[in-house]
Amino acid sequence: GENVEQHPSTLSVQEGDSAVIKCTYSDSASNYFPWYKQELGKGPQLIIDIRSNVGEKKDQRIAVTLNKTAKHFSLHITETQPEDSAVYFCAATFGRAGSYQLTFGKGTKLSVIP
Amino acid sequence: DGGITQSPKYLFRKEGQNVTLSCEQNLNHDAMYWYRQDPGQGLRLIYYSQIVNDFQKGDIAEGYSVSREKKESFPLTVTSAQKNPTAFYLCASSTGSGGQKHGYTFGSGTRLTVV
Repeated sequence: GENVEQHPSTLSVQEGDSAVIKCTYSDSASNYFPWYKQELGKGPQLIIDIRSNVGEKKDQRIAVTLNKTAKHFSLHITETQPEDSAVYFCAATFGRAGSYQLTFGKGTKLSVIP
Repeated sequence: DGGITQSPKYLFRKEGQNVTLSCEQNLNHDAMYWYRQDPGQGLRLIYYSQIVNDFQKGDIAEGYSVSREKKESFPLTVTSAQKNPTAFYLCASSTGSGGQKHGYTFGSGTRLTVV
């Protein structure tokens, strides 16, 4: 099945600095790559996603890049704020027509230091 | 507003008891999923269901059971056979394309503790 590797597992940055989280996937047929943010005691929330026909997508301070050849994608958060502190999960689709699922990375705990 | 609701938020189980966690969605999603999350760990798939009256085991199904009698509902029973059930349980749903179009929508979770 699909395998998604996520790095780093923990990341501390100073407020205002940028944060980058990287993921690699194994199934070349994967075509959808969402990112989730999970705050303490809550369920994950979708924050941004990208499809395989796009190389980059931005939404205010958040951006995601995708390199299909290398099979890796990254989340970039600029001008980090304390409220960005959370666990972030990447995911990739796997499967075939009629039976798709998401496979999740193991998560990155981001701490933004005021 | 459409969404996915998990209840209860906190649940305490005595040794040897079965307990059932509720998950209801009004998003008209075909597929539903149950994940277990341990402290500092990722999401591990317990069971999933792509259509009513059908479900499949995930990576850690032992000691758990599910049913999918209605499209909106996907309850999870933690049986006495699950030796270490203390964890945070997350339910999710997606369109029939398995999350390809808009990803999964997650509930707010149930924290189960064995006492």
